[in-house]
Amino acid sequence: GAGVSQSPSNKVTEKGKDVELRCDPISGHTALYWYRQRLGQGLEFLIYFQGNSAPDKSGLPSDRFSAERTGESVSTLTIQRTQQEDSAVYLCASSREGNEQFFGPGTRLTVL
Amino acid sequence: GQSLEQPSEVTAVEGAIVQINCTYQTSGFYGLSWYQQHDGGAPTFLSYNALDGLEETGRFSSFLSRSDSYGYLLLQELQMKDSASYFCAVRDSSGSARQLTFGSGTQLTVLP
Repeated sequence: GAGVSQSPSNKVTEKGKDVELRCDPISGHTALYWYRQRLGQGLEFLIYFQGNSAPDKSGLPSDRFSAERTGESVSTLTIQRTQQEDSAVYLCASSREGNEQFFGPGTRLTVL
Repeated sequence: GQSLEQPSEVTAVEGAIVQINCTYQTSGFYGLSWYQQHDGGAPTFLSYNALDGLEETGRFSSFLSRSDSYGYLLLQELQMKDSASYFCAVRDSSGSARQLTFGSGTQLTVLP
């Protein structure tokens, strides 16, 4: 497919466990973003990757959150020692040079 | 820091025109974007305004006044499928080059 894909689509985990979320951006898109969206809320910026530049991690809420990206391809968002307040939809988006961001379907994370 | 304000809910009938306003406070403003998100879906890009004035794309138009830190999304000839959440988002110099800060969203309900 030509769009942004994310996996898993749903993840249920127990408090204290680590989770890893994956994002496959659109081929050729140099920029990749992670956002968090709590129920009924707007999108909260987490982290931004642009090519081989150092990522902008200014939105990560705590040191339990980290993300990696290999070149201009796949990215993984890792949440360690999950807490109930981490429950949300995690959205990934990619873009080229323009202002339009293309979003994936998201991963719905539920921490019990 | 940045802040955006938009109404939480708007209701209109099919065929009508609706305007969703967005006011913002940012530093070093670059542009205002609008995204649409259906329930359970991914946000999709609607428009981007960097300069003052009205941008028209089919039934949707977006307006920006930088001096008033204000913009709006205008939806004409409303259809049932337009029922969704609409988010305004700003790019400014406080974040990375392409980082967006999103408002909390406006839930539009279109009635028959």
